Amino acid sequence: DSGVTQTPKHLITATGQRVTLRCSPRSGDLSVYWYQQSLDQGLQFLIQYYNGEERAKGNILERFSAQQFPDLHSELNLSSLELGDSALYFCASTPWGQSSYNEQFFGPGTRLTVL
Amino acid sequence: AQSVTQLGSHVSVSEGALVLLRCNYSSSVPPYLFWYVQYPNQGLQLLLKYTTGATLVKGINGFEAEFKKSETSFHLTKPSAHMSDAAEYFCAVSRSWSNSGYALNFGKGTSLLVTP
Repeated sequence: DSGVTQTPKHLITATGQRVTLRCSPRSGDLSVYWYQQSLDQGLQFLIQYYNGEERAKGNILERFSAQQFPDLHSELNLSSLELGDSALYFCASTPWGQSSYNEQFFGPGTRLTVL
Repeated sequence: AQSVTQLGSHVSVSEGALVLLRCNYSSSVPPYLFWYVQYPNQGLQLLLKYTTGATLVKGINGFEAEFKKSETSFHLTKPSAHMSDAAEYFCAVSRSWSNSGYALNFGKGTSLLVTP
């Protein structure tokens, strides 16, 4: 158990819908990362937040957005869903700020299926 | 930008045999390199990482990796494979972004199969 929690574990929805994935980082971790894992694209970095501020933006679609709240939990919002958005979405957090050499602790993921 | 390439999407070894999973990196700056393991239906777990200092890095579960700058490689090895080592292995490099952000750039992954 990494200490990072993600809800829900599974999500099944239809094309065109909107969903919210939630992540609680390890206690005290200020940085939160979102990654998408799919068969086509592999593991791709989406976005990073540090203490409520967006710090890095990767291959995140405009239909997707995220935020980090004052209690440090984060939410990833996916809208106008397409079949290709079906994937495993991971959240990760790092201790000691956001140094590039920090280990990232990964949550168990949310499996999104778009029908 | 920093990136990694994993050679071989599938590797099969016999139980007790040497495990060698290959990773080459591309970076214009000294890289920070990581190996993660993903067991079925689970998140990723850090096996080991290289930041600075000793080039031979020891990790959990008997794995180790050697950073070779001249070969731009960071291959993962284990002397004797166990059935429990069957999993997906990912090499990653830490990449810097604007606004002082950092994230991991992952390779495509190598699926390790261990046969009795």
